[in-house]
Amino acid sequence: AQSVTQLDSHVSVSEGTPVLLRCNYSSSYSPSLFWYVQHPNKGLQLLLKYTSAATLVKGINGFEAEFKKSETSFHLTKPSAHMSDAAEYFCVVNSGTYKYIFGTGTRLKVLA
Amino acid sequence: EADIYQTPRYLVIGTGKKITLECSQTMGHDKMYWYQQDPGMELHLIHYSYGVNSTEKGDLSSESTVSRIRTEHFPLTLESARPSHTSQYLCASSEPGQGYQPQHFGDGTRLSIL
Repeated sequence: AQSVTQLDSHVSVSEGTPVLLRCNYSSSYSPSLFWYVQHPNKGLQLLLKYTSAATLVKGINGFEAEFKKSETSFHLTKPSAHMSDAAEYFCVVNSGTYKYIFGTGTRLKVLA
Repeated sequence: EADIYQTPRYLVIGTGKKITLECSQTMGHDKMYWYQQDPGMELHLIHYSYGVNSTEKGDLSSESTVSRIRTEHFPLTLESARPSHTSQYLCASSEPGQGYQPQHFGDGTRLSIL
């Protein structure tokens, strides 16, 4: 069975400081993992994906994530937060079926 | 920039009305999905389709129905709307190919049933 746990429902950072959004997953098979961002009244936009190639994945807008199989984690990071990064972030796992399992989301707040 | 379009973006309507939420994509993707999302919550799959004339119910029970007569079009219908149907509905499609492909999402329809 697959599952995703986003460890923080809310994260607040100051502009210009690093961002860390945590995601742990559980999967019976070799999974693919995704991070999406959702701005208010918008759909989800793909930030990055892991599909069993390099364990450090670079995405759009300066985000990156590292796949750690031993820790079953796929945390999202960014070196320097920008005001425009304030949004909801979803970690998603898929093991090759129609099922994309979504985490409950992390709301990122960026303080000026 | 989305290549998947949902209309209407917002809909406020009375109980008992028939509603159709439209979803179209221009990418030629075979796989399409409908999700329901309540505020501050994760997405729940209510329908999916692997191609024309192929539709399946998702994990979240829903009184809605879908059709897939054309590759690019995947409308969702509620025959008789109820206040419990108030939610945001997101349509998505996924890229073709082997393995586990990312999904592309529309901007959603926010539905309010009075």
